[in-house]
Amino acid sequence: GENVEQHPSTLSVQEGDSAVIKCTYSDSASNYFPWYKQELGKRPQLIIDIRSNVGEKKDQRIAVTLNKTAKHFSLHITETQPEDSAVYFCAASNTGFQKLVFGTGTRLLVSP
Amino acid sequence: NAGVTQTPKFRVLKTGQSMTLLCAQDMNHEYMYWYRQDPGMGLRLIHYSVGEGTTAKGEVPDGYNVSRLKKQNFLLGLESAAPSQTSVYFCASSYSVGGEWTEAFFGQGTRLTVV
Repeated sequence: GENVEQHPSTLSVQEGDSAVIKCTYSDSASNYFPWYKQELGKRPQLIIDIRSNVGEKKDQRIAVTLNKTAKHFSLHITETQPEDSAVYFCAASNTGFQKLVFGTGTRLLVSP
Repeated sequence: NAGVTQTPKFRVLKTGQSMTLLCAQDMNHEYMYWYRQDPGMGLRLIHYSVGEGTTAKGEVPDGYNVSRLKKQNFLLGLESAAPSQTSVYFCASSYSVGGEWTEAFFGQGTRLTVV
């Protein structure tokens, strides 16, 4: 089955810096890659997603890139703000299996 | 429109007791999931359902059972609770459009402690 690895497990940056979180997946048939943000004590919420027919997607300060050949995808946050502090999860899905497999999460801390 | 609602929000069980967690969604989604979240281990899939009356095992199904008798509800049962089942449980629902995945919506979580 699908296996998703996520790095780093923790990431500390200064406000205004960029942050990059990387994930690799094992199943070449996976075709949907969402990223979720989870604030302390809250539920995970989708922040951006990308499908396998696209190499990059951007939404304001957040972007995701996908390299299907290498089977990895990354989340890029620019001009980080303290409110970006949270745990971020990547995930991968294959429509045929109809389930979402998550990475282990990255705790991002943005210091003022 | 409440989205995905989980009941209860908190629960403490003694080892060997049983309980049922209820997940209800009002978005007419086909797919529903139960995950558990443990520190450093992300969200691990317990069981899932691709439609009313169907269920399937995820990554960590042992010690849990599920039922989806109605499209809007997905129940997670613990027959004989063990301390290893202390966790935060999340329910989620999703749907596909033309075979394409869409966003998974999560419930607020249930914090379960087994003593």
